This record gives sequence, structure tokens and C-alpha cells, in this order.
Amino acid sequence: RKEVEQDPGPFNVPEGATVAFNCTYSNSASQSFFWYRQDCRKEPKLLMSVYSSGNEDGRFTAQLNRASQYISLLIRDSKLSDSATYLCVVNMGDSSYKLIFGSGTRLLVRP
Amino acid sequence: EPEVTQTPSHQVTQMGQEVILRCVPISNHLYFYWYRQILGQKVEFLVSFYNNEISEKSEIFDDQFSVERPDGSNFTLKIRSTKLEDSAMYFCASSGGTGGGYSNQPQHFGDGTRLSIL
Repeated sequence: RKEVEQDPGPFNVPEGATVAFNCTYSNSASQSFFWYRQDCRKEPKLLMSVYSSGNEDGRFTAQLNRASQYISLLIRDSKLSDSATYLCVVNMGDSSYKLIFGSGTRLLVRP
Repeated sequence: EPEVTQTPSHQVTQMGQEVILRCVPISNHLYFYWYRQILGQKVEFLVSFYNNEISEKSEIFDDQFSVERPDGSNFTLKIRSTKLEDSAMYFCASSGGTGGGYSNQPQHFGDGTRLSIL
């Protein structure tokens, strides 16, 4: 089983749509969770950390389900500028600072 | 907003040559990292560095790789005797402000060096 697994997409949605991405991780000892976005041939940019109680940042909502080892990202009112690849990222914690990246989910927002 | 800077943006090197990739992490960060991304693949961890020593490395980070913090601002990745399969985008990242870093602090990435081995 892959350490961090995501649906590669692409998700092709119209502007204004709501879209949700899911991610599963294999190691139940994982402690920190993040969503990054990556534009084509650019660096990963932090979108948001994911907290156990769920958290929201503007149009973006992240949820964590530790029992199911599942993370989600919801984007409301999609903009053209949201077109990118969304990376689910996990850190094992304890003495490890290594980030483990999923392969990403590609989002295309059309006019 | 402070950012991680990397140079050069693109490096073209003959197979077998040595390359040094340079990074200036965010100034008050204490933890430094190198990752790489082969075209079309996911981002992979190479090494983490704290308190002037390697704290963790992946199986990719073999004897041909080394890291160094030669002064108070730069963080370098050296690849000796490059191979064709070293062609990738290399990202530097940093995390952890003053007072100590924690694994739940997000890592901030530089815009990468594209390494092309001919």
C-alpha cells in the first residue's frame, strides 16, 4: 500500500463549483498533515495544515479522520486560479521531520 | 513574506561531473531539507539537517550526496559524479523558528533548481 494515496484526477470543474479531494495514508502513527498546491514545474506551496478538529481558511476546508486514516480538502466557489495540483502531505512525527508526499490530484477550473 | 531562495534555477552538467546546489533558508529557521522531484513523479525526501548535522536521510541519499552549511546563511547539496538518473528538480525547504522546531511546523520550499545531466 502506498504511504500517501490520492486520486490523480484530473478534476475538471466550472468556475464557482465546489470540489473535494481525498487522501489516505498508511501509517497510523502519522502526526502532522498538510495540503500543498503545486503549479506546473513550480515548487510546492503550503495551502494549509490539517488539524484534528478540521479547519477552514477562506474557501478551503480541511478535515482529518484519524480512525480511517483519511484527509480531505474542500474548495468552495472555485476560481480559475485554483487550477493546480493539490498534494496531500504527511509527517510521521516523533523524531522524523521527513514529509511524505502523495502524487497529487490535478484540478482544472474552466470558465 | 520571507522565502527560501535557491540558485541556480537551472543547472546543466555532463554525467560524471560534480554539482553544488545552493539554498538560503528562511533566516530564523533551524531545520533544513532537500527534496527532489523527477519529472512526472512525486516529491521525494532526500535529507534533513539540524544543528550542523544530518538528522535523517533517505535511501536515495547515498555516498554521492552530501550537505553542508558553510556559513550562517547558505545550505548546499553536493552531488559527486552525477548520473543521468540524477536529472530532477531539487527543492530546498526550511522550517522551525527560533526556540526550536517541531515536526508539525510546515516546511517552506524554495522555487527549485532544475538539474539536467547530459
